[in-house]
Amino acid sequence: EVQLVQSGAEVKKPGESLKISCKVSGYTFTNYWIGWVRQMPGKGLEWMGIIYPGDSDTTYSPSFQGQVTISADKSISTAYLQWSSLKASDTAIYYCARLATTGWPPAPAAFDPWGQGTLVTVSS
Amino acid sequence: DIQMTQSPSSLSASVGDRVTITCRASQGISNYLAWYQQKPGKVPKVLIYAASTLQSGVPSRFSGSGSGTDFTLTISSLQPEDVATYFCQKYNSAPFTFGPGTKVDIK
Repeated sequence: EVQLVQSGAEVKKPGESLKISCKVSGYTFTNYWIGWVRQMPGKGLEWMGIIYPGDSDTTYSPSFQGQVTISADKSISTAYLQWSSLKASDTAIYYCARLATTGWPPAPAAFDPWGQGTLVTVSS
Repeated sequence: DIQMTQSPSSLSASVGDRVTITCRASQGISNYLAWYQQKPGKVPKVLIYAASTLQSGVPSRFSGSGSGTDFTLTISSLQPEDVATYFCQKYNSAPFTFGPGTKVDIK
């Protein structure tokens, strides 16, 4: 079974750094893109960026470029999302999700499955 | 970048009604369009990918259509368990933008 298990909820102060994780199992980590999605309280889904763990090729949404860093550690099948200096406006649930494929050659087929989400609260 | 819009932003319908949600891309995206359902407090779940392919395990009352810039998600007979917010997403190329969502509830 393909699973993405995210790290637990975090409470941080403005200006602090943070790295959250997404550990995958049930498939070859290096063969699929992993994306990150933000959901602010009561709001919609925002696509932040995506990484291909096979070669760490990473693309960011223009809205998040320079604000966060996406990385991956192949040795432990884990993707990461990190901030160097949190703001109150970073308070949100953050989801990781695998970009599934279909057919041959593989074509993208939406984000599935998703991690359970990590709630990040930034407050003084 | 390509923008995604959805209409309506919310709707209220009776059990058994046919419900249609529209998603529009500001430029053509072929059929690289997915629909997700997010129930309150839950993780989003994919319903449809490639504009019209039903994800395994999703009830057949859900269907998708469209190509290029205009897409629809249809629920043929609304059920109480379909109360949720529905998002479209383009995935032809980055950024993989989501639509703003359509909230569906029962009248």
